[in-house]
Amino acid sequence: NAGVTQTPKFRVLKTGQSMTLLCAQDMNHEYMYWYRQDPGMGLRLIHYSVGEGTTAKGEVPDGYNVSRLKKQNFLLGLESAAPSQTSVYFCASKRGGDTGELFFGEGSRLTVL
Amino acid sequence: DAKTTQPNSMESNEEEPVHLPCNHSTISGTDYIHWYRQLPSQGPEYVIHGLTSNVNNRMASLAIAEDRKSSTLILHRATLRDAAVYYCISSSNTGKLIFGQGTTLQVKP
Repeated sequence: NAGVTQTPKFRVLKTGQSMTLLCAQDMNHEYMYWYRQDPGMGLRLIHYSVGEGTTAKGEVPDGYNVSRLKKQNFLLGLESAAPSQTSVYFCASKRGGDTGELFFGEGSRLTVL
Repeated sequence: DAKTTQPNSMESNEEEPVHLPCNHSTISGTDYIHWYRQLPSQGPEYVIHGLTSNVNNRMASLAIAEDRKSSTLILHRATLRDAAVYYCISSSNTGKLIFGQGTTLQVKP
């Protein structure tokens, strides 16, 4: 049982390049989330999804797009990376409802030069 | 979405109890209160959650005020491994989960 797996774990991009972060969960969870965490800061919600085929904006959605074509996968895309998007990205998933526990991936460290 | 407010940092001595406060004055009647913690260089991990009654598990206790506008995470005997950032969040029926800045707990030997 792998839990929540993020790919890749590290990536260096040049300004203007695009990339996609993949989050995969094997727990049949309904809800999935993408957060970013800058050094010394808390987690900020980028986008989230409450089910296959649905996505919603979080606190800081600008510059990012997401897709949830399959229940187990939640993709985060950067169409034109900017240095301000240098951060550690965490994916999380939980079962539906108010009481489910969030399970986090190990994080993906992205550097944009 | 209910906003939570926590102190930026707290200190504790090893093997002493720690009380981490959280204010959530705009919480709705059906929103749960969840606590997570983040150890250095790791993703957050679940600690405990509750709705109205106080809750206990192997990691901690959660005391929820009668009016539900605040709660306190209690670590009964802090260890050095408890040094982390602790986040208090409230759930939402929309699924949106906002973490905030959290409280950085330092544990002194």
